[in-house]
Parts: sequence; structure tokens; C-alpha cells
Amino acid sequence: DAKTTQPPSMDCAEGRAANLPCNHSTISGNEYVYWYRQIHSQGPQYIIHGLKNNETNEMASLIITEDRKSSTLILPHATLRDTAVYYCIASPFGNEKLTFGTGTRLTIIP
Amino acid sequence: GAVVSQHPSWVICKSGTSVKIECRSLDFQATTMFWYRQFPKQSLMLMATSNEGSKATYEQGVEKDKFLINHASLTLSTLTVTSAHPEDSSFYICSARDPTAGGYNEQFFGPGTRLTVL
Repeated sequence: DAKTTQPPSMDCAEGRAANLPCNHSTISGNEYVYWYRQIHSQGPQYIIHGLKNNETNEMASLIITEDRKSSTLILPHATLRDTAVYYCIASPFGNEKLTFGTGTRLTIIP
Repeated sequence: GAVVSQHPSWVICKSGTSVKIECRSLDFQATTMFWYRQFPKQSLMLMATSNEGSKATYEQGVEKDKFLINHASLTLSTLTVTSAHPEDSSFYICSARDPTAGGYNEQFFGPGTRLTVL
């Protein structure tokens, strides 16, 4: 799996959009970008994944650059419940394993 | 989404005893489940892949005789920490792949079990 790099921490004001960056400069053509988050003392939760097109679901949007070397997870209207560690993972299609990095600790500020 | 449960949510045991942790997929069948360990302020580390009806596949450095995994049915995998020691104290989390996801790696995670060995 390609290595991903994320800032260790970020703050965001409640109600604003939270934009979480991820670098994956060595990503290969068959690797998808997955985002999971882990609220304190809970198991991780799947958020979204994409290959090269931008994706949106009820939780978030995923913007992947054209060269696929980086991506941004967007939480459009952050709430206090979005405070968590967010993990960006590059994983090939068909791969069962998930390799978690250190993630970004996002703190939503009232 | 599908639900994965774990039992117990926390356990305290004495050094030298064994502890069993259960992981259940509540509304779907999981031929493959995964066990992770997470130490305080660290990321999740995959310990092993649990396969229904066959032996588990352990990651490098994980002692298979210490961490016994049994996946006897399509909805239940168990992790037994044998002869537990204080250094085994950790947060243990299981997961199962979304059976409808095809080749995509969407996994459902359990709530975790916090093990404290005295």
C-alpha cells in the first residue's frame, strides 16, 4: 500500500467546513483512497473512498487531485461530534487489509 | 450500515490468566474478520486475519500461540489472549468487510474491548 502523509492535528470551528489533506505521492493506479475516522475509545468508522473522481456521500466529500498524488476530505458543516482522528489509507482494489497510519486529530471548536 | 459487536467492552484480569474476546457480525455474514490492537495514543495495528473455517493468518511479529483466534461460524470470531501479562493491556478491535462492497475495502468495526492486565 502506498504511504500516506497527514498533518498530525487540525482545529476547525463548529459549523464551518473541515478540510483534511492527505498526501499519497506514490499511489499506484489500482489503489483507492479510503477515509476512516475514530472517535475517542471507539472503533473506526468508514467515511468514503474514491479512485480519481470526486466523491460525495451523506457524511463527506472527497476531492482527489488530477495526478492523484493528494486528496482532501471535506466535512461540509462540522459539528462537535466530528471531533476524531481521521485516517487516510491507500489500498489496492481487492486488498482485504487496511494499514492505518497516524492520522489527523481533528478538533471541532465550539 | 452493518453492525459489528464485541464482548466484553472492557475486562480486567490478573497476570497469567486467559481472556476471550468475542466479535460478532449482527446482521450479515462475515467470512473474513480482522483483529487489531491499539496502544494509547497510537494507531491501530493489524494483528491477524480471521477466516471462517480455517486457520487465522497472523501478521509478522504477532505470536499465534499467545493470541488464539477461532472463527467457527460466519458471524463469530473469538480472540483469546493466553497467559496475559501487563504488556498485553491494550484496546482490541475487530472488523469485518462489507459483504456487498465487492473488491472495495469498506470495513465495519466493532466498538473495541479494553483489556487491562494487572
